[in-house]
Amino acid sequence: DGGITQSPKYLFRKEGQNVTLSCEQNLNHDAMYWYRQDPGQGLRLIYYSQIVNDFQKGDIAEGYSVSREKKESFPLTVTSAQKNPTAFYLCASSIGGQGSYNEQFFGPGTRLTVL
Amino acid sequence: LAKTTQPISMDSYEGQEVNITCSHNNIATNDYITWYQQFPSQGPRFIIQGYKTKVTNEVASLFIPADRKSSTLSLPRVSLSDTAVYYCLVSGYSTLTFGKGTMLLVSP
Repeated sequence: DGGITQSPKYLFRKEGQNVTLSCEQNLNHDAMYWYRQDPGQGLRLIYYSQIVNDFQKGDIAEGYSVSREKKESFPLTVTSAQKNPTAFYLCASSIGGQGSYNEQFFGPGTRLTVL
Repeated sequence: LAKTTQPISMDSYEGQEVNITCSHNNIATNDYITWYQQFPSQGPRFIIQGYKTKVTNEVASLFIPADRKSSTLSLPRVSLSDTAVYYCLVSGYSTLTFGKGTMLLVSP
């Protein structure tokens, strides 16, 4: 089955701890994205990567970090510097990167709750 | 920077046609418009994409006027399972902006 997976589905952390969200795709897509979704706010872009070992900040990158060491993996770390980390996090991938107008395929999301 | 505006919510009944409009006044020449559907606690799913005029696929139509400052997603004969949040996305070389979504509620 081809697709994009995120794990875990639910994640709880104590305030002040860093946490890493997993995103894996076997679609052979070059581009990958991380979004944050809050009630009534739609999707806001955190980071995106158009190719391995390269990534760019999105609109709300502060308090987050990413890596892209492999084409199929794009983990997101929510650091203690992120003031309001509780949210629904969505990972996506597409054949080409920004500017290619390709359909984005989304994972099922990870709901992070910081206590 | 492109900004998109959509109605917060819409109501409809089964069998009716639903039109959801997205406003994107600052759309750039090379930007495309894409619509996604999202069910609760799931990732969004692609519906349709267009640049100008009209695009139609098996589930929806997308109307884009000549000035491209808005777009309208048309869902023919909606069913209860079409109850979801619908997002428009304006994307291009330097743009990737989702609207805040329109919650469509379809009633029997």
